[in-house]
Amino acid sequence: KAGVTQTPRYLIKTRGQQVTLSCSPISGHRSVSWYQQTPGQGLQFLFEYFSETQRNKGNFPGRFSGRQFSNSRSEMNVSTLELGDSALYLCASSLAPDRGSPLHFGNGTRLTVT
Amino acid sequence: AQTVTQSQPEMSVQEAETVTLSCTYDTSESNYYLFWYKQPPSRQMILVIRQEAYKQQNATENRFSVNFQKAAKSFSLKISDSQLGDTAMYFCAFMNASGGYQKVTFGIGTKLQVIP
Repeated sequence: KAGVTQTPRYLIKTRGQQVTLSCSPISGHRSVSWYQQTPGQGLQFLFEYFSETQRNKGNFPGRFSGRQFSNSRSEMNVSTLELGDSALYLCASSLAPDRGSPLHFGNGTRLTVT
Repeated sequence: AQTVTQSQPEMSVQEAETVTLSCTYDTSESNYYLFWYKQPPSRQMILVIRQEAYKQQNATENRFSVNFQKAAKSFSLKISDSQLGDTAMYFCAFMNASGGYQKVTFGIGTKLQVIP
């Protein structure tokens, strides 16, 4: 079974631009979560989607948004990029969130904002 | 809100020796799940071990085992017979079991170096 796939692996953008990251979960997984990872802050929860509905959101500004499609694939969008948005963005999928199923992570997208 | 604390930013261990990574958490929930994840330099996060809070028995996975102390809110990871491939960042994680949604809180991580 294929794992979680994130594209692209690397992105370089300039301040003020916007970016869209993509995540394909493991087949059958309907929960998709996004995390921002930085050296100083560790992993910070962005949001979680289940069956196309955003069920939970972390403490990030409205510039960070996401969506999930009917096939469970998810996208994350960051508008008006700031230097502080430079980070590794991790996507994770889960089979049964209500039963403590673990997160399965993709390789991440490394975003650099210049 | 839950918090997860990993008080050891970096640790090292000789190959074949045993090392213990510490993790404490704070929650008012009684039902939850705890995890240890490993992130090697290749950067993909890999599940190491999972513990259900309502189970008293400590989880084990081959060379990896945990010491789960629910009353003390402590969840340490023991790695036996350390191997070079164990070199990685290790993250402790807390998952709330209520509410039907999944928000996982991670610790800041412990960087483990296995020395040949």
